[in-house]
Amino acid sequence: DVKVTQSSRYLVKRTGEKVFLECVQDMDHENMFWYRQDPGLGLRLIYFSYDVKMKEKGDIPEGYSVSREKKERFSLILESASTNQTSMYLCASSGTSGILQETQYFGPGTRLLVL
Amino acid sequence: GQQLNQSPQSMFIQEGEDVSMNCTSSSIFNTWLWYKQDPGEGPVLLIALYKAGELTSNGRLTAQFGITRKDSFLNISASIPSDVGIYFCAGSKAAGNKLTFGGGTRVLVKP
Repeated sequence: DVKVTQSSRYLVKRTGEKVFLECVQDMDHENMFWYRQDPGLGLRLIYFSYDVKMKEKGDIPEGYSVSREKKERFSLILESASTNQTSMYLCASSGTSGILQETQYFGPGTRLLVL
Repeated sequence: GQQLNQSPQSMFIQEGEDVSMNCTSSSIFNTWLWYKQDPGEGPVLLIALYKAGELTSNGRLTAQFGITRKDSFLNISASIPSDVGIYFCAGSKAAGNKLTFGGGTRVLVKP
């Protein structure tokens, strides 16, 4: 089974702190994604990566950056956390071959509260 | 960014009922996916659709890819309490491309 793990399930940070959210997948997937989930808005794409050291902006990249130094690991960074970044953050991965290449597999999510 | 319009936003189910939800877009998608999210977990794929007009089932779930490629629906037959959760539709415009998600349909049990 595909396994996507996220470093924390719950996180509380203060405004202005630098926050690191880590995601690891064990399926040798090329693609990795970071979303945030807010009630009524569904999942909105923050950043994604199609390869190591490669990154592309999603729909809402402002206030975030990412790092992909190894294929299995994709990190989301909040350089200076703000209260409007309080949200559920979901990491996902997908492969690049076969009929299921669009299928993204999700981690359990990190619920971040910024005070 | 591009949004998929998913309806209803929420619904109550009674055990044994059939329920339906749908997803529409102003533009064409080549793949439609339906996910379910249980409380405290990430979304899990239920059904993937790859051809216009395709009707696919997974147990009590049935989903269809609209002929115009701008919509999709999901039916749950004979609902049971564990069907509660948030259901998301998602569309992809090209192989390997990023997904666009709907706002979700929250399914709750009637008190």
